[in-house]
Amino acid sequence: AQKVTQAQTEISVVEKEDVTLDCVYETRDTTYYLFWYKQPPSGELVFLIRRNSFDEQNEISGRYSWNFQKSTSSFNFTITASQVVDSAVYFCALSEADGGFKTIFGAGTRPFVKA
Amino acid sequence: DGGITQSPKYLFRKEGQNVTLSCEQNLNHDAMYWYRQDPGQGLRLIYYSQIVNDFQKGDIAEGYSVSREKKESFPLTVTSAQKNPTAFYLCASRPLGDDEQFFGPGTRLTVL
Repeated sequence: AQKVTQAQTEISVVEKEDVTLDCVYETRDTTYYLFWYKQPPSGELVFLIRRNSFDEQNEISGRYSWNFQKSTSSFNFTITASQVVDSAVYFCALSEADGGFKTIFGAGTRPFVKA
Repeated sequence: DGGITQSPKYLFRKEGQNVTLSCEQNLNHDAMYWYRQDPGQGLRLIYYSQIVNDFQKGDIAEGYSVSREKKESFPLTVTSAQKNPTAFYLCASRPLGDDEQFFGPGTRLTVL
């Protein structure tokens, strides 16, 4: 069965430090997609990245970077030089190609950035 | 502007009353989804629909009902059978052949 685990509920970080949000997933499918979404206090989910199971290349977008490792079933997200505006809830999610693109979400992690 | 609208943003109802949450999209997406979010938890799938006049139960469908009479609309009814309806409800849509979901702003339902 699909499962996404974000073991960190909240992480305290000082402004300008780096913070890594962990995501571990379980799936029996060979074709699947992984996502990260950001949920600011307004509530709407904002798409950050999508990665398919055949593309393990790491990605960097500004201060955001993602490390996808199939060997450990992990898709971790790092925010470099964190800012107060980064204080939101971040969700990791998994979608299987054979499941009608139903998406399973982790419980979310909130980096609490202190000035 | 293309997007997904959910109305209202905040909704209050008395216990025992049915309530319908609106979700409309003008993105011409085929699939639509309803999720429930409780404090400190991720999103849980209630119902989803991949085409008009067809929908499937998600993981927590009990106490909810949906309809998909039009491609752009996917209303969710929270019935009195739902034991704990107070939550944040998010609607999403997805184009056919793609796996990325686009989310609406959500409706926060409080049952008094």
